Amino acid sequence: EAEVAQSPRYKITEKSQAVAFWCDPISGHATLYWYRQILGQGPELLVQFQDESVVDDSQLPKDRFSAERLKGVDSTLKIQPAELGDSAMYLCASSSPGTLGIFGPGTRLTVL
Amino acid sequence: GDSVTQMEGPVTLSEEAFLTINCTYTATGYPSLFWYVQYPGEGLQLLLKATKADDKGSNKGFEATYRKETTSFHLEKGSVQVSDSAVYFCALLSGSARQLTFGSGTQLTVLP
Repeated sequence: EAEVAQSPRYKITEKSQAVAFWCDPISGHATLYWYRQILGQGPELLVQFQDESVVDDSQLPKDRFSAERLKGVDSTLKIQPAELGDSAMYLCASSSPGTLGIFGPGTRLTVL
Repeated sequence: GDSVTQMEGPVTLSEEAFLTINCTYTATGYPSLFWYVQYPGEGLQLLLKATKADDKGSNKGFEATYRKETTSFHLEKGSVQVSDSAVYFCALLSGSARQLTFGSGTQLTVLP
């Protein structure tokens, strides 16, 4: 069964450092989502891509977060500089027309 | 905007007990409704869904009925197992953007 791949699975960093997360969606899925899940809360959408274009990044803190999907396939989410409040699970999901998003295993970020 | 309100946890039950997790929603139009499950250290998995009023979604012994008149989508299972221990998220999908809005999650622990 096809899966969404994410790496790393766990990341520990110090505040003010830069971190990057990678997502490889299911082959053929044009839509890719990045969600942030703070402990004890539900996931919140950060950014949505359709192919290589950003559809919605209204909840992305653009002063420190950036996301790209240059070739419309895999995607990178970056945080620079990281802050203590960024500690969370970062989830990637992908979908195609008629299907709901399939989620990857997530990257657990801890900022010290 | 769209929102989902879930019964607060944690919920602790004995094996074979009856489970209900309440979920209500606010949305414009006619959203699709979902329950996701998240096992420790993993991403979200779709448990069941309903796309229109009075639909009943079911999977692995879990059921939920889309009630438009009460804007609810309560999750039920007649006899829980230890392996059902996880966090359960209610979610809705509305609008052309195809973005999921999640509740805050309910932690379920089933004791043997």
